[in-house]
Amino acid sequence: GENVEQHPSTLSVQEGDSAVIKCTYSDSASNYFPWYKQELGKRPQLIIDIRSNVGEKKDQRIAVTLNKTAKHFSLHITETQPEDSAVYFCAASIGNTPLVFGKGTRLSVIA
Amino acid sequence: GAVVSQHPSRVICKSGTSVKIECRSLDFQATTMFWYRQFPKQSLMLMATSNEGSKATYEQGVEKDKFLINHASLTLSTLTVTSAHPEDSSFYICSASAGGPAGELFFGEGSRLTVL
Repeated sequence: GENVEQHPSTLSVQEGDSAVIKCTYSDSASNYFPWYKQELGKRPQLIIDIRSNVGEKKDQRIAVTLNKTAKHFSLHITETQPEDSAVYFCAASIGNTPLVFGKGTRLSVIA
Repeated sequence: GAVVSQHPSRVICKSGTSVKIECRSLDFQATTMFWYRQFPKQSLMLMATSNEGSKATYEQGVEKDKFLINHASLTLSTLTVTSAHPEDSSFYICSASAGGPAGELFFGEGSRLTVL
């Protein structure tokens, strides 16, 4: 089955700097790649997603890139703010199969 | 986005008792819901896929007799932790797809179970 690896496990950046989180997946048939943000004790919230027919997607300060050949996708957060501090999870799925999540990245934005 | 509600948000119970957690899709019908378990500072581990009107599909290593799942309607799935033990203490989160393009999930608030 699908396996998703996520790096780094923790990331600290200065406010205003950029943060990049990377994920790799194993099944080349995967076609949906969402990113979720989870604040402490709260539910994961979808922040951006990308499908396999697109190489890049951007939403204000957040962007995701997908390299299907290399089977990896990345989350880019620019101009980071303290409220961006949270745990971020990448995930992958094929069609209607359940999402498989990475292990998460704890992002700390230092003011 | 679509709204998924989960109840209770916190529950404390004694060892040996059973606990039921409800997951509702409030503004859409969900033929499929997913139950995840999350240990502190860890990722979301899929426990089972709940299918309306049929038996749930459990992931490898998840005891179906311990974690009973019922999906009796298009808006409600329940997870019952039977004969709970301290090692069952965890954060349980349900999710559902609102239809449309495959894969987009909306999560419930989560239920933190503590078994004494």
